[in-house]
This record gives sequence, C-alpha cells and structure tokens, in this order.
Amino acid sequence: GAGVSQSPSNKVTEKGKDVELRCDPISGHTALYWYRQSLGQGLEFLIYFQGNSAPDKSGLPSDRFSAERTGGSVSTLTIQRTQQEDSAVYLCASSQQGSGANVLTFGAGSRLTVL
Amino acid sequence: QKEVEQNSGPLSVPEGAIASLNCTYSDRGSQSFFWYRQYSGKSPELIMSIYSNGDKEDGRFTAQLNKASQYVSLLIRDSQPSDSATYLCAVTGGGTSYGKLTFGQGTILTVHP
Repeated sequence: GAGVSQSPSNKVTEKGKDVELRCDPISGHTALYWYRQSLGQGLEFLIYFQGNSAPDKSGLPSDRFSAERTGGSVSTLTIQRTQQEDSAVYLCASSQQGSGANVLTFGAGSRLTVL
Repeated sequence: QKEVEQNSGPLSVPEGAIASLNCTYSDRGSQSFFWYRQYSGKSPELIMSIYSNGDKEDGRFTAQLNKASQYVSLLIRDSQPSDSATYLCAVTGGGTSYGKLTFGQGTILTVHP
C-alpha cells in the first residue's frame, strides 16, 4: 500500500484480556519496527524485524509481549493478560534497505486502553 | 544514563527567531542520526537525517553532528507557528545493533506570533 497501515486504530479492553495489533508495512520495505508511546512520552523501542534475520526483541518489556512477522510483510504484536500500564499508542514503522535504511515511515498507530 | 537524551522543554521562541534543539547519545558506535517532528495526536515524520560530522542544511533546517562529543542538534531558522511540535532525536545502535533506532524523549517547541 501507499503507507503503513495499522489496525485497530483504537482498542479498549479489560485488564487480563489478550489483544492483537496488526501492522501492514509499505510494500517492498524489508524492515519493520514496533514502538510504544505513552501519553506525553517519547517512543519506546519494542522490537525490530529485518528481512529474514532473527528479530531484535530487546525492547519487549515482559514475556506477555510477543510479535511475529509473516512472509516478510504483515506483523502482529500480541499482548497477553493486559495490564493498565500497557495503555499507550503502539506505533509501527517500516523502512527500506540501502540508502533508505533506518528512514522510518510510521503508521497512524493503535491506541490501546486497558480498563 | 539514557541512550538518547533531549531537554524536554518546552522551548518557546518568537516567530522569525532561530530555534535550537539539542541531543546527546551514549553509543559511540552509532552511525546514523535523525530528527523527526511529531504534531500533537499525530505520528512522527522525518525532517532530517545526518550521517557524517558537520552541518547539513535543508531549507530552514540545519542538522549538526559532532561524533567526538556524541552530540547532534537541529536549528530551525525563521521559526513559524506551524513549527510548533515535539521534535524527536533518533539514533541507530552501533555494531550488531545497527538496525535498532532509539528515540529521545522529545523536545516540545512552541513558536509564538
């Protein structure tokens, strides 16, 4: 597609429920990133996928968080047993290889509210 | 020590003035440096990238990099009210962490008429 697409745009869930957030990167972009942004805060790195390489999971805050990327394209971020502190905007971004490496294009984000 | 540090501000400048935004980073192996702008309620968008020491100019924006001092800055000349936003500094990791892009907390800039 023309841009990075994220769904859902808004998700309200109850504490303890599992949620899945989806990201569809720009076609041809080999790198995909997930960040989390709490209200008034900067971007917190979660996970990074590059092609067929093993993902960099160093930012995942706990084992309740996991992400996968199927076929080198669409990615799903899963949060199990959600907690109130998981409430944030989850941003996905993608970038291409070569001269455009690390130049991120962001999606509109998925706003998660855990009650 | 945070990996990427910025003054959170807010930084307030009058219209037409120069706004100066600063960022320091901890990983000496970092190779690529970026400034993103984020309007309230929106996603970040790229303004500038810089990869080598010195200055890089693009219109009213100038990025400055000093790897020895681990310092990168953004100057905005002839600031406009439409420049009011949060400015995020982003730095790639060194070595095997090259692909990982770490952001600072952001500096809130307000340009008043």
